[in-house]
Amino acid sequence: GNSVTQMEGPVTLSEEAFLTINCTYTATGYPSLFWYVQYPGEGLQLLLKATKADDKGSNKGFEATYRKETTSFHLEKGSVQVSDSAVYFCALSERGTGNQFYFGTGTSLTVIP
Amino acid sequence: EAGVAQSPRYKIIEKRQSVAFWCNPISGHATLYWYQQILGQGPKLLIQFQNNGVVDDSQLPKDRFSAERLKGVDSTLKIQPAKLEDSAVYLCASSFPPGAGIPYEQYFGPGTRLTVT
Repeated sequence: GNSVTQMEGPVTLSEEAFLTINCTYTATGYPSLFWYVQYPGEGLQLLLKATKADDKGSNKGFEATYRKETTSFHLEKGSVQVSDSAVYFCALSERGTGNQFYFGTGTSLTVIP
Repeated sequence: EAGVAQSPRYKIIEKRQSVAFWCNPISGHATLYWYQQILGQGPKLLIQFQNNGVVDDSQLPKDRFSAERLKGVDSTLKIQPAKLEDSAVYLCASSFPPGAGIPYEQYFGPGTRLTVT
């Protein structure tokens, strides 16, 4: 079946530190991969996505590369800001499955000044 | 463009009471989803509608949960009677209707935080 595994948090970083949040997946077919972000008290927002192997999704300084050989989609940012404090969810969805999404458990990030 | 609207934002009820949540999706989005997000976990799909028909309700506890989307736009999720373990955030999302191609992004509302005491 389909599933997503994320590194456990919480993660605490100082401002301007480098961020990596690991995500690996299991899929029966050829999924699209997503990172969503959830700020306190809000719903999930799409941060970036990649739809095929070796694609790199990027947005707001965040990047993730779709690695089919390692079934991974790790999220990175070179210099985090206090405003990046949020919960990050990795997710996958496969073609022809009715747009069903499978989410990881989320990784909480706190950035301190 | 208006986003997904949900109400209420917060609700506190006692166990065995009933509660209803409302969702208005983004205009033009035929597909609507209800998720349950328990603290510290990712969202879990409860039910998916396309227009006013149910696509997937395999994880909906049908003995106590019900949902409808009568005119293919707004939707209501109801819990009756509530249990302590129903305490969670209930998220509504919408998207364009799925096809055989690349999955569409889901757009989420702010959620309703339910506390059952």
